[in-house]
Amino acid sequence: EAQVTQNPRYLITVTGKKLTVTCSQNMNHEYMSWYRQDPGLGLRQIYYSMNVEVTDKGDVPEGYKVSRKEKRNFPLILESPSPNQTSLYFCASSPRTVPGELFFGEGSRLTVL
Amino acid sequence: AQSVAQPEDQVNVAEGNPLTVKCTYSVSGNPYLFWYVQYPNRGLQFLLKYITGDNLVKGSYGFEAEFNKSQTSFHLKKPSALVSDSALYFCAVRDPNSGNTPLVFGKGTRLSVIA
Repeated sequence: EAQVTQNPRYLITVTGKKLTVTCSQNMNHEYMSWYRQDPGLGLRQIYYSMNVEVTDKGDVPEGYKVSRKEKRNFPLILESPSPNQTSLYFCASSPRTVPGELFFGEGSRLTVL
Repeated sequence: AQSVAQPEDQVNVAEGNPLTVKCTYSVSGNPYLFWYVQYPNRGLQFLLKYITGDNLVKGSYGFEAEFNKSQTSFHLKKPSALVSDSALYFCAVRDPNSGNTPLVFGKGTRLSVIA
């Protein structure tokens, strides 16, 4: 089954404790992206990647890092989480031939205390 | 810069009635336009897209959208709403002539279909 898998789905952590949210897709998509969803703000892009070893900042990259060492994986790293990073995070992917037709993961709800 | 606006935070409609969820956009050239739906506790799902061609686009679950270039709109429609259509709907736009510029989403419209 074609899917984007995120882990963990739910996480409560404390300020400053490094964490990684993993994202993996099995559709051989070139493009992958991370979004955060906050009430009243919709979806805002954090980082995206057009292909392996190619990453770019989105609208709200501060406090986040990403890497794209393999085509299928695109982890989101919070080196020192802060309470304002409490949010619902989505990973998405799409084939380069159909830009914008995104496949989303189920989301990861992160709470930073 | 590209942007998209969904002027209604909430739309309420009775089951069986037609529904419209509004979207307007701003891009410098011809846009790529998309609609996504988010059911509770789920990720977003692609509904339909306009790239080129016929202004009326049909998508999943009986939804359709009409691209109107003069009004810079891409409203989502369905002739007869179902309770199961209740969800959060997002419009998104991309300018294909702006290199790697990614998709820009609206803030979302919550659709509530009442039985």
